[in-house]
Amino acid sequence: DGGITQSPKYLFRKEGQNVTLSCEQNLNHDAMYWYRQDPGQGLRLIYYSQIVNDFQKGDIAEGYSVSREKKESFPLTVTSAQKNPTAFYLCASSISAVGNTIYFGEGSWLTVV
Amino acid sequence: GENVEQHPSTLSVQEGDSAVIKCTYSDSASNYFPWYKQELGKGPQLIIDIRSNVGEKKDQRIAVTLNKTAKHFSLHITETQPEDSAVYFCAATPQGNNRLAFGKGNQVVVIP
Repeated sequence: DGGITQSPKYLFRKEGQNVTLSCEQNLNHDAMYWYRQDPGQGLRLIYYSQIVNDFQKGDIAEGYSVSREKKESFPLTVTSAQKNPTAFYLCASSISAVGNTIYFGEGSWLTVV
Repeated sequence: GENVEQHPSTLSVQEGDSAVIKCTYSDSASNYFPWYKQELGKGPQLIIDIRSNVGEKKDQRIAVTLNKTAKHFSLHITETQPEDSAVYFCAATPQGNNRLAFGKGNQVVVIP
């Protein structure tokens, strides 16, 4: 099946630990994105990548890091510096970074205790 | 940056009636306006979108209208069905990038 795969679906971590969320797409899309969703809130952009080996900060990048070593993969690391990491994380992709439809994965729930 | 607001936050309709959700945006340079449907625990799914050179777009029971002068766009769902119950997000993006600015979402409940 073509699409965007996020893993794991549910993740629990202790405060102070770094955690990495996986995002893989087989749509041959150049651009990939990470959004954060809090209850009752809209989606906020964390990081985005327009092409392999390139990425830019979004609106709420503090406490997060990403890499884009392969076209199909865009992992997100939630570091211990992120003050309130418990949230629903959504990965997305589009054919290119300009003027194209953005498609979302099924999301990953991160709970930090 | 772009600021998108959605109204109302919650909407309940009887099955078979129509539902309308309105969004306003602040950046007159925005030219792409998608609508996403999100079911509980899932990722948002694009249901319809419109670009600024079009005033209205329709896809079966769903339509979107755009008023660039007033800077608002609306989602219209006709003949609502229980499976239309979900959270609907509107978004806007200026020309030249895909940095979508999302509204906070609208919970639509279709009462059988």
